[in-house]
Amino acid sequence: QTVVTQEPSLSVSPGGTVTLTCGLRSGSVSTSYYPSWYRQTPGQAPRTLIYKTNTRSSGVPDRFSGSILGNRAALTITGAQADDESDYYCVLFMGTDIWVFGGGTKLTVL
Amino acid sequence: QVQLVESGGGVVQDGGSLRLSCAASGFTFSRYGMQWVRQAPGKGLEWVSFIRSDGGSQSYADSVKGRFTISRDNSQNTLFLQMNNLRPEDTAVYYCVRDGSGHYFDYWGQGALVIVSS
Repeated sequence: QTVVTQEPSLSVSPGGTVTLTCGLRSGSVSTSYYPSWYRQTPGQAPRTLIYKTNTRSSGVPDRFSGSILGNRAALTITGAQADDESDYYCVLFMGTDIWVFGGGTKLTVL
Repeated sequence: QVQLVESGGGVVQDGGSLRLSCAASGFTFSRYGMQWVRQAPGKGLEWVSFIRSDGGSQSYADSVKGRFTISRDNSQNTLFLQMNNLRPEDTAVYYCVRDGSGHYFDYWGQGALVIVSS
């Protein structure tokens, strides 16, 4: 069973920079997994932020960027704002039309 | 603009069945793969199922394989999820999602709540 790992929680100061990561319990994440990132606030549907590792979805500010860092996919938020406080999820494409979500990271801005 | 509107959610007993629908508009439905993603109360997102644009191929998470069936009617711009032998752990908000070219989820509906009572 494939397990995608994310930090359960992170915090960042207003104006600061934070990096969320997305890994595999067994193995390394590469661009071949087409990592994508989503943001969700309570009671709302998720919103797409980043796809194909580093492509920003329409309307997403360039404060959000995606990359591969070492053996993990990463979402970096620069100039953090109060309304960046959300749950963030990554998902990996495992091939043969199968996807696996990470457990999500709860980001606090304080 | 792209709109995805789920319907058919509700309360069903353990072992029961339910069919979700998703009405799509604002894009050429027949050109896109479609997905179902769910979220149990207070939990994270879980991929459930995918269907290709022509309906010719489907895939499922192990947790629902053999119990759920995804289908689509391209003439009616509608996606379906037939859920049989429901279990309490299937209780969740079910999101209809358009598949982006690039193996990701690009537009999300607002979700339909399914509650399976034991």
